[in-house]
Amino acid sequence: EVQLVESGGDLVQPGGSLRLSCAASEFSFSSYWMSWVRQAPGKGLEWVASIKEDGSETYYVDSVKGRFTISRDNAKSSLYLQMNSLRVEDTAVYYCARDSYASETYYYDYWGQGTLVTVSS
Amino acid sequence: IQMTQSPSSLSASVGDRVTITCRTSQSISIYLNWYQQKPGKAPKVLIYAASTLQDGVPSRFSGTGSGTDFTLTISSLQPEDFATYYCQQTYFPRTFGGGTKVDIK
Repeated sequence: EVQLVESGGDLVQPGGSLRLSCAASEFSFSSYWMSWVRQAPGKGLEWVASIKEDGSETYYVDSVKGRFTISRDNAKSSLYLQMNSLRVEDTAVYYCARDSYASETYYYDYWGQGTLVTVSS
Repeated sequence: IQMTQSPSSLSASVGDRVTITCRTSQSISIYLNWYQQKPGKAPKVLIYAASTLQDGVPSRFSGTGSGTDFTLTISSLQPEDFATYYCQQTYFPRTFGGGTKVDIK
């Protein structure tokens, strides 16, 4: 069965850095776009970033541009999110999600369990 | 693209027909997905491309719409359907609606 397992969440001070990882298994990782989606405590879902199958295209929500970097290692079936200059408002559960393509559109058909990032002094 | 989802919450009984709407600030054709999320769990896709039911999702869930106006309908609410529902458009930058919490009346 498809599995996505996030790790790397932690408590970090404002201005600090953190790197999240997502280990994928039981599917051809290099054949899928992948994304990060976050959810602040008690709030709704927010798309953060997406990366193309070969890593040649990346997209970010405006609030993280210049601070976060999404990347992937297809040989290791792993997705990453490097987060720099963290702010209190980045506090959230971060989900890794697989983009599936059908009917000329993308949707998230598999999600990880999430990893909690807390930014606080 | 801004997403306006309504209502933000609703109370309903088992067996009720429930309708949730999502309006976008510009036309997105049919590139609209619906997700269900239960407390402490990751979201689960119900409908993609506005009206296509994801494999394994009960047929009581249906989606309609195109352009800027979309609807998720639960034809007969079941106990396991009490959850929060989100719409999402798939143009970059992707956006989610604010969510609709469905709880027990």
